[in-house]
Amino acid sequence: LAKTTQPISMDSYEGQEVNITCSHNNIATNDYITWYQQFPSQGPRFIIQGYKTKVTNEVASLFIPADRKSSTLSLPRVSLSDTAVYYCLVGDNEDTGRRALTFGSGTRLQVQP
Amino acid sequence: EPEVTQTPSHQVTQMGQEVILRCVPISNHLYFYWYRQILGQKVEFLVSFYNNEISEKSEIFDDQFSVERPDGSNFTLKIRSTKLEDSAMYFCASSETDNSGNTIYFGEGSWLTVV
Repeated sequence: LAKTTQPISMDSYEGQEVNITCSHNNIATNDYITWYQQFPSQGPRFIIQGYKTKVTNEVASLFIPADRKSSTLSLPRVSLSDTAVYYCLVGDNEDTGRRALTFGSGTRLQVQP
Repeated sequence: EPEVTQTPSHQVTQMGQEVILRCVPISNHLYFYWYRQILGQKVEFLVSFYNNEISEKSEIFDDQFSVERPDGSNFTLKIRSTKLEDSAMYFCASSETDNSGNTIYFGEGSWLTVV
């Protein structure tokens, strides 16, 4: 079973707000939700992490409903430089018993001028 | 902001040769990881390391791979006899703990090309 499910790709325009939703129906009680950004040929870069409700930092907001079965990364007023792949990850992997992060395919965000 | 640094940024090697990729994790971090990403594919977990021993490894991390922390700052990944399919970007990462709420920080990667 996939740990997380995200849209494969999204398109947006500069200045718009972008919301990327990730589903994690089997999230465990101890799992946090973490989002990473990756540019081509670079390492994943931590964006934001949360456990429940809403978290905001200088880059993004993360909305987590009460059941925690999904989360939404919100990027306000995107620019061309936000074009990247965005990964949603949850913590412990109960399927494999592995504690290290498991990356999915991510969401490829393309921002147009 | 502290960061994970990796060397070399790019290495080309002949099939069958040994390769060592080096990493300097963030100084107060205790958990270290290697991931790899074949061009156009997902980021894949290879191995995690804590207290001078492997704590987890994936099915990719076979006998051709080894990790070592030779001194107090470096963390290395060795591939003994490289194969064409080892061509990938290798990312080192580190974290303070391995708890679910802990953040893993990644380096910029080492591009390995096996010819």
